[in-house]
Amino acid sequence: EAGVAQSPRYKIIEKRQSVAFWCNPISGHATLYWYQQILGQGPKLLIQFQNNGVVDDSQLPKDRFSAERLKGVDSTLKIQPAKLEDSAVYLCASSLDGGASDTQYFGPGTRLTVL
Amino acid sequence: TQLLEQSPQFLSIQEGENLTVYCNSSSVFSSLQWYRQEPGEGPVLLVTVVTGGEVKKLKRLTFQFGDARKDSSLHITAAQPGDTGLYLCAGARTSGSRLTFGEGTQLTVNP
Repeated sequence: EAGVAQSPRYKIIEKRQSVAFWCNPISGHATLYWYQQILGQGPKLLIQFQNNGVVDDSQLPKDRFSAERLKGVDSTLKIQPAKLEDSAVYLCASSLDGGASDTQYFGPGTRLTVL
Repeated sequence: TQLLEQSPQFLSIQEGENLTVYCNSSSVFSSLQWYRQEPGEGPVLLVTVVTGGEVKKLKRLTFQFGDARKDSSLHITAAQPGDTGLYLCAGARTSGSRLTFGEGTQLTVNP
């Protein structure tokens, strides 16, 4: 079974530029998560989708970050404009239905460097 | 304020040694999970504990959830180089709520 796919794997941009990340979850998984993992820290949830609806985006910096999952499958996360402190690994995860006992499967992440 | 405190932050040991890493909080969690993350990859779930006092074993790994559901430990017996990685604990305050991750313990097992 294919896992969670993410692209690109690496991205280097200058501050104030825009960047977008793409995630393809495991087939059949209704719930999709985007996490930010800064070096030396654990992942922090940015946004959670259930199908194409947002369940939790309370920790998403909405002035510069946006995410969508229009058809309830693939998702994109965008940063515009990027700041130096956005340098991190952006992890996408998916789970079957987001329930309490559900297992989250993580993709390999996109490593973003903002110069 | 870090909701989940992990210790130690870094641990370097020789193959064959035993070790314990800790995950502590002042808050009660409905469930707690342990993950291992290797460089360039996402975290992989090792175990979920939900009952206070629960002990789960996975080969050489033993996981314990504190009686008050505020803390957890991971014990590895006879560590091997393949155990090297970042060990993360993550808790959910209520059933189905978002996971909060600790900052991780970076384990290096030297051959």
